[in-house]
Amino acid sequence: EVQLVESGGGLVQPGRSLRLSCSGSGFSFGDYTMSWFRQAPGKGLEWVGFIRGKAYDGTTEYAASVRGRFTISRDDSQSIAYLQMDSLKTEDTAMYYCTRDRSGWERYDYYYIDVWGKGTTVTVSS
Amino acid sequence: SSELTQDPAVSVALGQTVRITCQGDSLRSYYASWYQQKPGLAPVLVIYGKNNRPSGIPDRFSGSSSGNTASLTITGAQAEDEADYYCYYRDSSGTHVVFGGGTKLTVL
Repeated sequence: EVQLVESGGGLVQPGRSLRLSCSGSGFSFGDYTMSWFRQAPGKGLEWVGFIRGKAYDGTTEYAASVRGRFTISRDDSQSIAYLQMDSLKTEDTAMYYCTRDRSGWERYDYYYIDVWGKGTTVTVSS
Repeated sequence: SSELTQDPAVSVALGQTVRITCQGDSLRSYYASWYQQKPGLAPVLVIYGKNNRPSGIPDRFSGSSSGNTASLTITGAQAEDEADYYCYYRDSSGTHVVFGGGTKLTVL
């Protein structure tokens, strides 16, 4: 069974750091782009960033709201993706989801998320 | 603009057909995908590409696209379809990765 499990969430003070982990199983982890998304309480889904698979040298992209503060990395030997969050703000409070990304083409390109973890909660508060 | 616009709320009578739409200029060049999210749970993929359903998604869910609008249609809505639905697209460079604001579907 293909599965993603996030961990590392918790309560943290503004300005501090936190590292989330995403452990994958049931698939060839290194072949896939892995993303992080978040959802603030009562709000919609927001992209945080992603890290491409080994075929694309593990390059990363980030949302403007977190660029320069958050860093995504991966350890394919352990099938784990990380989200390092520094200089946390109260507005970073959210459920954080790790996902597996896919792509295809049928006249147009398309990208989609076929596997989601259950999420881990991050609360930034003094 | 890379934004995706959805109606905040839609309702449908049990057993009837409902269409949820998603508008954005980028949808002229990319297919959207659709996700269902029930309270307290992670989103679930329901439609991707031109009109593809993952295994386990009932065939009452279908997708279509025309111009700058992607649509998710539920034919014969069931009580268990009551949820939030989000459209999503990502461009090839990864510069734009966007969710719509979500549509809350109520089944009456």
